[in-house]
Amino acid sequence: AQTVTQSQPEMSVQEAETVTLSCTYDTSESDYYLFWYKQPPSRQMILVIRQEAYKQQNATENRFSVNFQKAAKSFSLKISDSQLGDAAMYFCAYTGNTGKLIFGQGTTLQVKP
Amino acid sequence: GAGVSQSPSNKVTEKGKDVELRCDPISGHTALYWYRQSLGQGLEFLIYFQGNSAPDKSGLPSDRFSAERTGGSVSTLTIQRTQQEDSAVYLCASSSQNNEQFFGPGTRLTVL
Repeated sequence: AQTVTQSQPEMSVQEAETVTLSCTYDTSESDYYLFWYKQPPSRQMILVIRQEAYKQQNATENRFSVNFQKAAKSFSLKISDSQLGDAAMYFCAYTGNTGKLIFGQGTTLQVKP
Repeated sequence: GAGVSQSPSNKVTEKGKDVELRCDPISGHTALYWYRQSLGQGLEFLIYFQGNSAPDKSGLPSDRFSAERTGGSVSTLTIQRTQQEDSAVYLCASSSQNNEQFFGPGTRLTVL
């Protein structure tokens, strides 16, 4: 069975600084996708970034980028130039051939002004 | 009507009552998913629809839980004889062909 692990329950970063959130996963599938979702207090899950496993190049979306290490089954999220609006819970998620998302436990990110 | 909508936003019910939660997916999205988010269990998959069929119901926690989807659009998740452990946020998501799931705002269910 596939699993996703986020080992950092809480993280804190100073505004304008850079922070990295960790995620590891386990799977025997060869084709899969990885995602980072942001969930602010409003509960709305917002897709931050996605990575296809067959792509070697790390995905980037503006201030958000990932470090995808397929052999190590690691998928970390880097947030550059952190902003107060980045404060939220972040979930790492996996989907394979079933389509359903398997989520990590989440990391609460605090941004200090 | 750009996003996924869910109703009600919040639902408080008494133990033993039945509840229905509704999800309106993004128009044209063929796949629809229900998830449950609770403090103790995190985010869990419940059921997946492709069109009106549910090829994966593996996450439904008991036979008190059921779901249907009609017209390839609206879905209803029904919980019968609610228990306190059913208290959670129920999230619905829809997707087209590219594996990206778009989530609704969720329904917070509180069972007293």
